[in-house]
Amino acid sequence: EVQLVESGGGLVQPGRSMKLSCAASGFTFSSFPMAWVRQAPTKGLEWVATISTSGGSTYYRDSVKGRFTISRDNAKSTLYLQMNSLRSEDTATYYCTRDYSSYIYGWFAYWGQGTLVTVSS
Amino acid sequence: DIQMTQSPASLSASLGETVTIECRASEDIYNGLAWYQQKPGKSPQLLIYNANSLHTGVPSRFSGSGSGTQYSLKINSLQSEDVASYFCQQYYDYPWTFGGGTKLELK
Repeated sequence: EVQLVESGGGLVQPGRSMKLSCAASGFTFSSFPMAWVRQAPTKGLEWVATISTSGGSTYYRDSVKGRFTISRDNAKSTLYLQMNSLRSEDTATYYCTRDYSSYIYGWFAYWGQGTLVTVSS
Repeated sequence: DIQMTQSPASLSASLGETVTIECRASEDIYNGLAWYQQKPGKSPQLLIYNANSLHTGVPSRFSGSGSGTQYSLKINSLQSEDVASYFCQQYYDYPWTFGGGTKLELK
């Protein structure tokens, strides 16, 4: 069974940093692209970033480019999201997601339970 | 960015009824469309990809159709466990974008 378990969320002040982790199990982690998707409270969904199987290719939405870094450790089956210069508009539940297959298809076949990040002074 | 517009924003239907949710893209997305279901307090779950392919384990009462800029999700014989919000998503071009969602309730 595919399992994705996020951690690292919480309350953080504007301008500070936070690092999210996602522990994966139930599949060969190194074989699948991964992504982060967020959802602001009572709002819709927003794709944040995607990383290829090797980590050699990364993609970001414009609003987080230069501030967020997606990375992975295939030996530890763990996905990360380093978030710097956080803003109030980054407040959201962050979901770790797995792609459908080894190619970056773009749809999110499996989701974690999410971790809430609140950016506030 | 490709804008995804869903309609209706909310919907009330009876058990056993057939429900259709629409999703319109601001440009042709060449069937690069997925549908997700999100139950209250839960994470989203994939229903449909490539506009009309059913994800593993999804009941056959769910189906997707469409092409170009117009797509739809149909739920046949509505069940109580289908009460949820539904989102479309395009992955034809970056940034991948979602529709605003449709909240489905029981009448």
